[in-house]
Amino acid sequence: RKEVEQDPGPFNVPEGATVAFNCTYSNSASQSFFWYRQDCRKEPKLLMSVYSSGNEDGRFTAQLNRASQYISLLIRDSKLSDSATYLCVVNMMDSNYQLIWGAGTKLIIKP
Amino acid sequence: SQTIHQWPATLVQPVGSPLSLECTVEGTSNPNLYWYRQAAGRGLQLLFYSVGIGQISSEVPQNLSASRPQDRQFILSSKKLLLSDSGFYLCAWSPGADYGYTFGSGTRLTVV
Repeated sequence: RKEVEQDPGPFNVPEGATVAFNCTYSNSASQSFFWYRQDCRKEPKLLMSVYSSGNEDGRFTAQLNRASQYISLLIRDSKLSDSATYLCVVNMMDSNYQLIWGAGTKLIIKP
Repeated sequence: SQTIHQWPATLVQPVGSPLSLECTVEGTSNPNLYWYRQAAGRGLQLLFYSVGIGQISSEVPQNLSASRPQDRQFILSSKKLLLSDSGFYLCAWSPGADYGYTFGSGTRLTVV
């Protein structure tokens, strides 16, 4: 089993729709979780950290479910500019220095 | 504020030639530093990380090496490039375990 798993997609979504991604992780002791966004041929950029109580940033909501070991990202009122690959990231608790990266979910917003 | 610089942006090198990619961080001290590679359409592969000057940990055995000659400088090298070394090379820094990483803008390497 991969340490961090994501549906690769692509998710083809009409503009204005709501879309959600899930990501599962294997290490139950993991403490830090993040969603990154990567545009085509660009570096990944931090979208948001994921907190235990869940957190929201504008149209984006992140949730953590420790019991089932997954995190989710919800995007409301999707924009064309939301088209990107979304990377799920989890810290590896047997090292202080490394994050484990999912392979990403590709999102395509269509007009 | 902290910034990370990585260069060059694009590089085309013949097989068997040497490689040197440089990454520097400004505005922080004693950062954790990372080199990643991303093949076309694939996920991120951690190559090296460093938690201090002269301290390098390698994740994947290969013909690449890394060095950290100064606190905020991280260098990725190869003596002889292979075709399989082509990819998107990303340098990143982090202040610590519970923080995310900030990436440089990357170097797109094509070995021909």
